[in-house]
Amino acid sequence: GAVVSQHPSRVICKSGTSVKIECRSLDFQATTMFWYRQFPKKSLMLMATSNEGSKATYEQGVEKDKFLINHASLTLSTLTVTSAHPEDSSFYICSARGSATSYEQYFGPGTRLTVT
Amino acid sequence: LAKTTQPISMDSYEGQEVNITCSHNNIATNDYITWYQQFPSQGPRFIIQGYKTKVTNEVASLFIPADRKSSTLSLPRVSLSDTAVYYCLVGDRRSNNDMRFGAGTRLTVKP
Repeated sequence: GAVVSQHPSRVICKSGTSVKIECRSLDFQATTMFWYRQFPKKSLMLMATSNEGSKATYEQGVEKDKFLINHASLTLSTLTVTSAHPEDSSFYICSARGSATSYEQYFGPGTRLTVT
Repeated sequence: LAKTTQPISMDSYEGQEVNITCSHNNIATNDYITWYQQFPSQGPRFIIQGYKTKVTNEVASLFIPADRKSSTLSLPRVSLSDTAVYYCLVGDRRSNNDMRFGAGTRLTVKP
């Protein structure tokens, strides 16, 4: 199946700093990418949907100025957590889909963010 | 967007067949049903997808009755490594409205 990677796999940062997480589709062109966050023992919560070359669509309650999403190419989307706080500590997961995958979505392995 | 309801948890033993049912009473004509498996600290993994009747692949079967208001994921002869959370998602994949996860079912396989 199609492969989606995320980098870094885990990151620790200090409060007030910004962190960028990359999501790449390795063997297909992802016309749409999605970002989720997941708290321990909870389900995935969709944060935003991004289409290549256009602004991301954020879910209700997700601050777009805090979680900056850039889908600059058909294989790369980035999520930047700005001015991170301890409550932003979570597991962030991206997924991607495209016509080449018959619109199936493939998930990345996730990024564990810890804000101290 | 069809909302889904699944049992919160299930227990089974190695070698047994496990059936997890998902209710989606408001499923729309263009909606597909997709099941994912997730292990702790990993991204979800696609298991199977279907629209109606029965779909089978190398790891599971998916049974969908004629009214499509529910679906059942069947895992044959589970092993300890099948302990995971299983999610049922329903939606129109071309419209990107099949992206929201419900609570999922936590399956625990015991020796």
